[in-house]
Amino acid sequence: ETGVTQTPRHLVMGMTNKKSLKCEQHLGHNAMYWYKQSAKKPLELMFVYNFKEQTENNSVPSRFSPECPNSSHLFLHLHTLQPEDSALYLCASSRSALAGFSSYNEQFFGPGTRLTVL
Amino acid sequence: DAKTTQPNSMESNEEEPVHLPCNHSTISGTDYIHWYRQLPSQGPEYVIHGLTSNVNNRMASLAIAEDRKSSTLILHRATLRDAAVYYCILRGTAGGTSYGKLTFGQGTILTVHP
Repeated sequence: ETGVTQTPRHLVMGMTNKKSLKCEQHLGHNAMYWYKQSAKKPLELMFVYNFKEQTENNSVPSRFSPECPNSSHLFLHLHTLQPEDSALYLCASSRSALAGFSSYNEQFFGPGTRLTVL
Repeated sequence: DAKTTQPNSMESNEEEPVHLPCNHSTISGTDYIHWYRQLPSQGPEYVIHGLTSNVNNRMASLAIAEDRKSSTLILHRATLRDAAVYYCILRGTAGGTSYGKLTFGQGTILTVHP
């Protein structure tokens, strides 16, 4: 139990559906992250939020829309996805996203949502 | 971010020490060396990090070469639960507007035999 929860754990959706992934952290952190892990590829950073402000969008297609209403919650809204978007989506949090905190700013990951797009 | 190079896979026997190497020849003076691992069906978890000196914690030890161009993660007594993918990552600290993101590589798949 890392203090970061993700729901749902599994999701199957059609290409025309709209769905949302939810992440919640109970660690009092100020930064939250979305990562994508496709089969046989390294984890890819998608978005970074620091104090509710988006600080990084790693060239993610607009069919993925993040939302961070407060420092404890992070959503990933999905619409008109493609089968190649099927992957494990991981959420993480840390005390801060600022590089200056890098010396101890470990990230805590949730268990992920396994997404299948049909 | 500077790049790291790790072996694709390694094997160990239970109760024996494991030394997982990582090369990072282009490391800059402000880069910290972080290790994470990902157990099957779980998200990554932090293992250890260091800058110049060797580091120990309850999970592992980190040995850093004097020139910082390589490092080794040491699991002193491997257990079956240590079977995972181990990632060696460099995190920069320079620049107030730089964000300390983690850039994952392929990592090393560690297999532990009973």
